[in-house]
Amino acid sequence: ELKVEQNPLFLSMQEGKNYTIYCNYSTTSDRLYWYRQDPGKSLESLFVLLSNGAVKQEGRLMASLDTKARLSTLHITAAVHDLSATYFCAVDRIGSQGNLIFGKGTKLSVKP
Amino acid sequence: GAGVSQSPSNKVTEKGKDVELRCDPISGHTALYWYRQRLGQGLEFLIYFQGNSAPDKSGLPSDRFSAERTGESVSTLTIQRTQQEDSAVYLCASSITGGYTDTQYFGPGTRLTVL
Repeated sequence: ELKVEQNPLFLSMQEGKNYTIYCNYSTTSDRLYWYRQDPGKSLESLFVLLSNGAVKQEGRLMASLDTKARLSTLHITAAVHDLSATYFCAVDRIGSQGNLIFGKGTKLSVKP
Repeated sequence: GAGVSQSPSNKVTEKGKDVELRCDPISGHTALYWYRQRLGQGLEFLIYFQGNSAPDKSGLPSDRFSAERTGESVSTLTIQRTQQEDSAVYLCASSITGGYTDTQYFGPGTRLTVL
């Protein structure tokens, strides 16, 4: 059974600081997704990582994928309050047709 | 353009009643997915449609849950004889083809509360 684990589940940080969210998954997969969810809102796609060593950056967020270690990281640089949200990683099962397995999410709170 | 829409946005029902949730995917998207998000949890996959066919129903939790899609467009998720453990946000997503690199675009969800 494919499992996806994120840590930490809760993260409180100050503006200007850096931090990394980790996403581990249990079986082989080549595709990893990061989504953002604001309270009461739906999910917004942030990154799609499709191969080992993939790195993508958007603003203060950078995501990477190591398929050998079955690990993805979401790095936050110089956090700002607007980044406060819940961040989910999700993985495809090999051979599946896109039904994603999600982690429990990391609730990020950035304080001034 | 218009995104994925879902209705109703909120539904409160009594235990034992049937409910029907609707999803309108992005126009032209052939793949459609239903997920469930319990409070404080990640999303659980329920069912996937390619066109009007459902090749993967593996996530439906019981035979009380069913879904259909018509016209390669609108989908409805029906829960019969609702139970309190069915309370969750039900999210629908669509993608262009359901292919390997497709991004799934999510709707705002339907919050279901079973009293």
